Amino acid sequence: QSALTQPASVSGSPGQSITISCTGTSSDVGSYRFVSWYQQHPGKAPKLIIYEATKRPAGVSNRFSGSKSGNTASLTISGLQAEDEADYHCCSYTGTSTYVFGTGTKVTVL
Amino acid sequence: QPQLQESGPGLVRASETLSLSCTVSGGSIGSSSYYWGWIRQPPGKGLEWIGSIYSSGTTYYNPSLKSRVTITVDTSKNQFSLNLRSVTAADTAVYYCARQVLQPDYWGQGTLVTVSS
Repeated sequence: QSALTQPASVSGSPGQSITISCTGTSSDVGSYRFVSWYQQHPGKAPKLIIYEATKRPAGVSNRFSGSKSGNTASLTISGLQAEDEADYHCCSYTGTSTYVFGTGTKVTVL
Repeated sequence: QPQLQESGPGLVRASETLSLSCTVSGGSIGSSSYYWGWIRQPPGKGLEWIGSIYSSGTTYYNPSLKSRVTITVDTSKNQFSLNLRSVTAADTAVYYCARQVLQPDYWGQGTLVTVSS
């Protein structure tokens, strides 16, 4: 059960859009729609921002959107804001009620 | 919405057992259809799913930790617990408890556990 692969860092200017990839295998991301994304500010617990690859929990900004194609899931942040600077983690169901997380991506707002 | 709070020692000696509890408020573990899980994050690194338990006591573990992990539930206290045996410095991390639906959704604030030699 290897960690899903994410870029170590992504950056963008305020107002721009950025996309974070999350690459797994046919045993996890490629087989299930249960991919989730979390935003984590320094010293804080992760916060769920996308579930089932494309859905947003109530209260999460519509600037966050998710997609999935094959073994890769993606998180897009539109209209980047200073408050979006944080770490982002993906997570995939791997079957038999087990999960695997991604390596994590640090987003910097320039 | 549920609130989760981790508790336990912040320092554990190498080769001993790390024991943490998670107290859930705002809902009953025993009457819910959720799983309850543990996730950890070594300093400066990504998240690692450790395992989860259903109110019936059915457990699921990360294969890489399975030989050292036990998760239990006490519905009378609305708590679930983590035991990690034979710890080493590599087990130093912030440990989070979380409710799981089809993914972890509500998380505790986390507790740092340091393994000392």
